[in-house]
Amino acid sequence: EAQVTQNPRYLITVTGKKLTVTCSQNMNHEYMSWYRQDPGLGLRQIYYSMNVEVTDKGDVPEGYKVSRKEKRNFPLILESPSPNQTSLYFCASSFRTGQGYTFGSGTRLTVV
Amino acid sequence: AQSVTQPDIHITVSEGASLELRCNYSYGATPYLFWYVQSPGQGLQLLLKYFSGDTLVQGIKGFEAEFKRSQSSFNLRKPSVHWSDAAEYFCAVGADNQGGKLIFGQGTELSVKP
Repeated sequence: EAQVTQNPRYLITVTGKKLTVTCSQNMNHEYMSWYRQDPGLGLRQIYYSMNVEVTDKGDVPEGYKVSRKEKRNFPLILESPSPNQTSLYFCASSFRTGQGYTFGSGTRLTVV
Repeated sequence: AQSVTQPDIHITVSEGASLELRCNYSYGATPYLFWYVQSPGQGLQLLLKYFSGDTLVQGIKGFEAEFKRSQSSFNLRKPSVHWSDAAEYFCAVGADNQGGKLIFGQGTELSVKP
């Protein structure tokens, strides 16, 4: 089944403890992206990648890192999480710009 | 600056009534436009997209949208709403020269009355 898989689905962590949210797609898509969703703010793009080793900042990149070493994987790294990063995170992938993104099921992160 | 505006935060319609959700965008390039739906506790599903050609596009679940360049709008419509359409709807805009950048509106929550 064609899909975007992100793990974990739920995560509670403490301030300052480094964490990684994994994302993998099995559709051979060129583009991948991370979004966060907060009530009243819609989805805001954190980072996106156009291909292996090619990434760019979205609208809210502060406090996040990404890497694209393989085409199928695009992990999101929080080096020192803070409570304002408590959010619902979505990974997405796309074959090309005009196709639109296919989204994963989301990761609900709580930082205490 | 690039932006997407969904003026209506919450809309309530009766089952069987028609629906129109508004979306306005501000984008320098020729835009790609999308509508997504998010059911409670779920991810986002693509309803329809426009990137060229016919300005009236058909999507899944009986939805359609019309691109009006002169009004910078891409409104979503459905002639007869079903209770299962209750969800949050997001408009999004991108462009060919913007790589993977895709900007979303704040969303419109749709409630359906029996």
